[in-house]
Amino acid sequence: GQNIDQPTEMTATEGAIVQINCTYQTSGFNGLFWYQQHAGEAPTFLSYNVLDGLEEKGRFSSFLSRSKGYSYLLLKELQMKDSASYLCAFMDSNYQLIWGAGTKLIIKP
Amino acid sequence: GAVVSQHPSRVICKSGTSVKIECRSLDFQATTMFWYRQFPKQSLMLMATSNEGSKATYEQGVEKDKFLINHASLTLSTLTVTSAHPEDSSFYICSARSGEGLGETQYFGPGTRLLVL
Repeated sequence: GQNIDQPTEMTATEGAIVQINCTYQTSGFNGLFWYQQHAGEAPTFLSYNVLDGLEEKGRFSSFLSRSKGYSYLLLKELQMKDSASYLCAFMDSNYQLIWGAGTKLIIKP
Repeated sequence: GAVVSQHPSRVICKSGTSVKIECRSLDFQATTMFWYRQFPKQSLMLMATSNEGSKATYEQGVEKDKFLINHASLTLSTLTVTSAHPEDSSFYICSARSGEGLGETQYFGPGTRLLVL
């Protein structure tokens, strides 16, 4: 079967670093996506990993280990505007996205 | 990134009426469009997948006669909520992608907030 799991909620301090983990199980895998969703808004694309390793984009980095079925999103130098839900999703063998429930990230001053 | 628009952004209607929501890909051709629903503080729920020129594929539990989807062109898909009821009040979001290959990103519209009185 397929499943994907991420923590429901995390809290971090402004200026700090936070890592949001995502684990998944699937027989067919075509990459893993991270999206950011602010309250009341639609998701916006952050990153895509299909090969093992770390992809860095400014303050955000995303890591993938296919053998472990594991990804994380790393946010550095946290800003208050980073308070949002972060959704991970893997693309299955039919090129469909299977979504996690999202991690609500709360940033405190 | 690619731009997807949705119209209207917000709609209030009376129970029993029908509401049409449009989703457009503005700068790319969307071979596939997706319709999601999201209730407050809950995760995205995929309602249906539509490919241009063919019938939409609905997820289990989604009534195809209630949620009519028409993917008329490579840049436009519409969702019509027929005979809307208060329990249909939700945030409806479309997304689009240009192909089915590896890594094809889904880009989301800004969403439509529906309130049925």
